[in-house]
Amino acid sequence: EPEVTQTPSHQVTQMGQEVILRCVPISNHLYFYWYRQILGQKVEFLVSFYNNEISEKSEIFDDQFSVERPDGSNFTLKIRSTKLEDSAMYFCASSTGTGYGYTFGSGTRLTVV
Amino acid sequence: ILNVEQSPQSLHVQEGDSTNFTCSFPSSNFYALHWYRWETAKSPEALFVMTLNGDEKKKGRISATLNTKEGYSYLYIKGSQPEDSATYLCAFTMDSSYKLIFGSGTRLLVRP
Repeated sequence: EPEVTQTPSHQVTQMGQEVILRCVPISNHLYFYWYRQILGQKVEFLVSFYNNEISEKSEIFDDQFSVERPDGSNFTLKIRSTKLEDSAMYFCASSTGTGYGYTFGSGTRLTVV
Repeated sequence: ILNVEQSPQSLHVQEGDSTNFTCSFPSSNFYALHWYRWETAKSPEALFVMTLNGDEKKKGRISATLNTKEGYSYLYIKGSQPEDSATYLCAFTMDSSYKLIFGSGTRLLVRP
């Protein structure tokens, strides 16, 4: 069965450093998403991406965050200057449409120290 | 603030027991209700997506119902097995939105 692949599975970074989280969505999916879960909290939406542009973003997704689909297969989330509160599990997901189930990756655990 | 509530928070049952969980969501501007099964150290797995009031979906021993007018969905597991142990998440989307709004999940533990 097709999978969404995320790398790395775990990343530790110093506060203020830039990080790039990488995802390979399912090839025939059209919608791409990033979600995160801070320990002990609900899974929360960050951003959706369709037709090579951001279609919706949450209040969390400020100027420190950006997404890119550089080569038609990868989908990346960049955090420019990480803060301690960015420590979370980050999930990439993709879907064929908004009324369909999403396929999630297994996540990248980001630890900011 | 849009909120999705799930109950119970956790549930311990014996193998063979049937069980059910509840998901409550805002009923206005409803578009779709999703259920996901999430095992530790794995990715959330889509179980059902329901869009119509009165929808009922079934996958093996697991089924779900939807009431969009009163804003709730039930997930049922018949004859629970140890491999059903996981966190069950519900999430809803509003009309004209791409984002899933998640509940906190129900953690199910099935004892052999």
